[in-house]
Amino acid sequence: DGGITQSPKYLFRKEGQNVTLSCEQNLNHDAMYWYRQDPGQGLRLIYYSQIVNDFQKGDIAEGYSVSREKKESFPLTVTSAQKNPTAFYLCASSIQGSGEQYFGPGTRLTVT
Amino acid sequence: AQRVTQPEKLLSVFKGAPVELKCNYSYSGSPELFWYVQYSRQRLQLLLRHISRESIKGFTADLNKGETSFHLKKPFAQEEDSAMYYCALSIMKTSYDKVIFGPGTSLSVIP
Repeated sequence: DGGITQSPKYLFRKEGQNVTLSCEQNLNHDAMYWYRQDPGQGLRLIYYSQIVNDFQKGDIAEGYSVSREKKESFPLTVTSAQKNPTAFYLCASSIQGSGEQYFGPGTRLTVT
Repeated sequence: AQRVTQPEKLLSVFKGAPVELKCNYSYSGSPELFWYVQYSRQRLQLLLRHISRESIKGFTADLNKGETSFHLKKPFAQEEDSAMYYCALSIMKTSYDKVIFGPGTSLSVIP
């Protein structure tokens, strides 16, 4: 089963702890994205990366960090600085210039 | 500023009835528009894009630049169409493909 995978599906953490969400793709896409999906707000861009070792902040990057050491992998760390981390997180990838994005199944993070 | 609006959060129609999910955008350049769908327990996926001008699962969408709209239509709704639908605007930048999503419309088809 190829495509884009995210793990884990569900994640629970205590407030004050950092947590890392995994995103892997075998589509050979250069560009990768992290979105946060909240009811009634659509998808909001957290970070994006168009090439290995390069990434840029999206619209709501505060309290998050990423790395892009390999083309296939784009992990997202939700830090303790994120004020409202409980959400559904979606990773996506795309062929640069195509406009179409391919999405992973998502990770639902709950912080208590 | 670029923006996508979907005025209906929830839309319920009876099976066999026509359905229209509304989408409006604001963008000064040449837009590229998409509809994405998320069925229950499935990942978000592309439904159709305006440049392909094709019908997918009976759905069509026409770009109206004058009204800045990209409404999604289907003449006869089916139960399996029940899902969350997102309209999206893609802006090709030199650095990356920026995609702006609308807030989504949850479609419920009543048997």
